[in-house]
Amino acid sequence: AQRVTQPEKLLSVFKGAPVELKCNYSYSGSPELFWYVQYSRQRLQLLLRHISRESIKGFTADLNKGETSFHLKKPFAQEEDSAMYYCALMSGNMLTFGGGTRLMVKP
Amino acid sequence: DSGVTQTPKHLITATGQRVTLRCSPRSGDLSVYWYQQSLDQGLQFLIQYYNGEERAKGNILERFSAQQFPDLHSELNLSSLELGDSALYFCASSVGPAGGQNTGELFFGEGSRLTVL
Repeated sequence: AQRVTQPEKLLSVFKGAPVELKCNYSYSGSPELFWYVQYSRQRLQLLLRHISRESIKGFTADLNKGETSFHLKKPFAQEEDSAMYYCALMSGNMLTFGGGTRLMVKP
Repeated sequence: DSGVTQTPKHLITATGQRVTLRCSPRSGDLSVYWYQQSLDQGLQFLIQYYNGEERAKGNILERFSAQQFPDLHSELNLSSLELGDSALYFCASSVGPAGGQNTGELFFGEGSRLTVL
């Protein structure tokens, strides 16, 4: 069965510092991975997907099959990045989410 | 607003009771998903429907059931409620290409917060 683990429930950094939100997965097939974000008082929404190899709002995520990881990175955090971040894995019709990491960017 | 709408936003009820949560997907979306988010837990997938048919099932209890109607809205029925059923229940929808496969981009509602006393 697939599983997504986000080891940190809370990550606190200062503005301008690099950010790395960790995500590890277990899945027997070829994974399709995503990052979702929920800003305060907003709905959960898609941030980026690994298949697109895109950078959104300065965030990137690289799929590392050897380490079964899909960490989310940003070189310089901004206060508006403060939010709840969820890593998700798609298998068949199911999107399995990790427990989420709350990112707090301090001024 | 053509986004995913969920009603009610808040619901307080007693153990043993039955409630129905309602979800209207985005205009044009054929797939509806239900997730449960309990305290200190992530989003747990419950069930998915595509164009009226069940497509995927997660850890949904037997006391829970869902359906999707011809107008594509969906209802999640929770019966014999227990204290542990208190949670935020999210509905999401997606376009879903033919066959109902999940493209990975889900559009979420604001959730229905259920409190069981």
